Amino acid sequence: GIQVEQSPPDLILQEGANSTLRCNFSDSVNNLQWFHQNPWGQLINLFYIPSGTKQNGRLSATTVATERYSLLYISSSQTTDSGVYFCAVVNKLVFGQGTRLTINP
Amino acid sequence: DADVTQTPRNRITKTGKRIMLECSQTKGHDRMYWYRQDPGLGLRLIYYSFDVKDINKGEISDGYSVSRQAQAKFSLSLESAIPNQTALYFCATSDPVATSGDTQYFGPGTRLTVL
Repeated sequence: GIQVEQSPPDLILQEGANSTLRCNFSDSVNNLQWFHQNPWGQLINLFYIPSGTKQNGRLSATTVATERYSLLYISSSQTTDSGVYFCAVVNKLVFGQGTRLTINP
Repeated sequence: DADVTQTPRNRITKTGKRIMLECSQTKGHDRMYWYRQDPGLGLRLIYYSFDVKDINKGEISDGYSVSRQAQAKFSLSLESAIPNQTALYFCATSDPVATSGDTQYFGPGTRLTVL
């Protein structure tokens, strides 16, 4: 089946820093989704992005389906951005292992 | 009110007990899913249902069963709970014909502990 790999597994930054999270997938996809799991365990939809680029405030995402990767950008990080970020290949119902982001004040 | 609800939110049970986790949604979506999450890991699919008459096994269905009672309700059962089923369980819904595609919407999760 399809493999979904996220990197880095852990990322620790100071408040105000920018970050890039990567999601590689081993097969063609027709939809990809990014989620944020907050420290209380709640899963929050960030982007549904099968291709192209989307932006929502300080967050943006880009998927290059032909090259089988997606990137999540977080600018001017805040402590509330802490948590685990997952990408998922929705049409295959497969999630990556996540990137744990810690933003220190 | 939340669009996807799960009950109970927390449950502690003993090995061998039968447990049912319930999921309800008010989003009007046909597709519903059950996932489990183990510490430090991503979500793994247990079962999914694309409509009331459709039930499919996911990656890790052994030891679990499901019931789709109505479009809005999808229950997960552990017939005889064992300690390695201790995990966080999520229900999700999606609508493939929506403008946002098959975006998954998650419930708040049920934390299950099997002693």
